Amino acid sequence: DVKVTQSSRYLVKRTGEKVFLECVQDMDHENMFWYRQDPGLGLRLIYFSYDVKMKEKGDIPEGYSVSREKKERFSLILESASTNQTSMYLCASSSALGVGEKLFFGSGTQLSVL
Amino acid sequence: QKEVEQDPGPLSVPEGAIVSLNCTYSNSAFQYFMWYRQYSRKGPELLMYTYSSGNKEDGRFTAQVDKSSKYISLFIRDSQPSDSATYLCAMKATGGFKTIFGAGTRLFVKA
Repeated sequence: DVKVTQSSRYLVKRTGEKVFLECVQDMDHENMFWYRQDPGLGLRLIYFSYDVKMKEKGDIPEGYSVSREKKERFSLILESASTNQTSMYLCASSSALGVGEKLFFGSGTQLSVL
Repeated sequence: QKEVEQDPGPLSVPEGAIVSLNCTYSNSAFQYFMWYRQYSRKGPELLMYTYSSGNKEDGRFTAQVDKSSKYISLFIRDSQPSDSATYLCAMKATGGFKTIFGAGTRLFVKA
């Protein structure tokens, strides 16, 4: 069964901390994405990557960075966590860009920044 | 104005009812239309996928796209308590890299 695994289900961090969210996929997909999901706002794209060491900004990249050193792993980094980054973070992967590709999602990480 | 508008609900129906979920959009370049289902404490999973206009049926689920009205629908026949979830519409333009999601509609099917 195909799988996207996010390292933590729940995280509680303090303002100003550096936070790492990890995502691993086992489908050999080229493309990986980080979304955040907030009530009433749906899913908003933070960053995506279409190849190892490649990254592109999404709609809300401010305050975030990403790292993709290996094809199967895509990390989201909050350089200095703030309370407005409290959210559900979803990682996804897909095998094609530019067409209506199917996104496979992980179960999400609920991050609380206090 | 959001690119994709979706009523967040919640929508509560009795078991066996026909459910209609809808989204409107503003970008005429969208060609790919998807519905994702998200159970509580889980990530979304693709439920239906349609290219351009028309209908697509899969079991109890029917997806409709009306590009002239910029309106898409998902119908669920004979709804079951196991259909209780949040349903997210999603859209993408040909050649684009971003999938745009609606806010999601929470559906409750009561036994």
